[in-house]
Amino acid sequence: DSGVTQTPKHLITATGQRVTLRCSPRSGDLSVYWYQQSLDQGLQFLIQYYNGEERAKGNILERFSAQQFPDLHSELNLSSLELGDSALYFCASSVAPAEGEAFFGQGTRLTVV
Amino acid sequence: GESVGLHLPTLSVQEGDNSIINCAYSNSASDYFIWYKQESGKGPQFIIDIRSNMDKRQGQRVTVLLNKTVKHLSLQIAATQPGDSAVYFCAENLTAGNKLTFGGGTRVLVKP
Repeated sequence: DSGVTQTPKHLITATGQRVTLRCSPRSGDLSVYWYQQSLDQGLQFLIQYYNGEERAKGNILERFSAQQFPDLHSELNLSSLELGDSALYFCASSVAPAEGEAFFGQGTRLTVV
Repeated sequence: GESVGLHLPTLSVQEGDNSIINCAYSNSASDYFIWYKQESGKGPQFIIDIRSNMDKRQGQRVTVLLNKTVKHLSLQIAATQPGDSAVYFCAENLTAGNKLTFGGGTRVLVKP
């Protein structure tokens, strides 16, 4: 158990809908990362937050947004969902924004139908 | 699990043999590298890391080699065991950039 908790574990939704994925980082970790893992693109970095502020941005679509709350949990919001958004979404956390290993959660499996 | 659905290069290894997994990274300015292991249905798990001021680092049964000249990283697993069957990813980090960029991954299958 990495100490990073992601909910829900599985999510099935229809095209055009909006979903929210939740991540609770390890105790003491201030930095949260979101990654998308799909069949044809491996692990793609989406966005990083550190202590409530956006720190780095990757290939995140405009339809996607994220935030980190004062209690350090993070949410990834996916809207106007398309079939191609079906993927595993991982959250990871680390103590500092760019140091040391990042611990990954079990992921949320999103299926858009 | 879902992650093993990826169309990845596969390394088949006999149990007890050594495994070598290779990774080419893209950014010559990257200064921190990590190997992750992803088992079926689980998130990536840290194996070992190395900073750019080193060319070799050893852990328990694993060794990471870094060749900055050709931007190449390798992971050696000694005496491969069935539990080593997984997908292995290398990741590079440009400290100033604050994000881990992952390679495509290699699937390791350990044959009994």
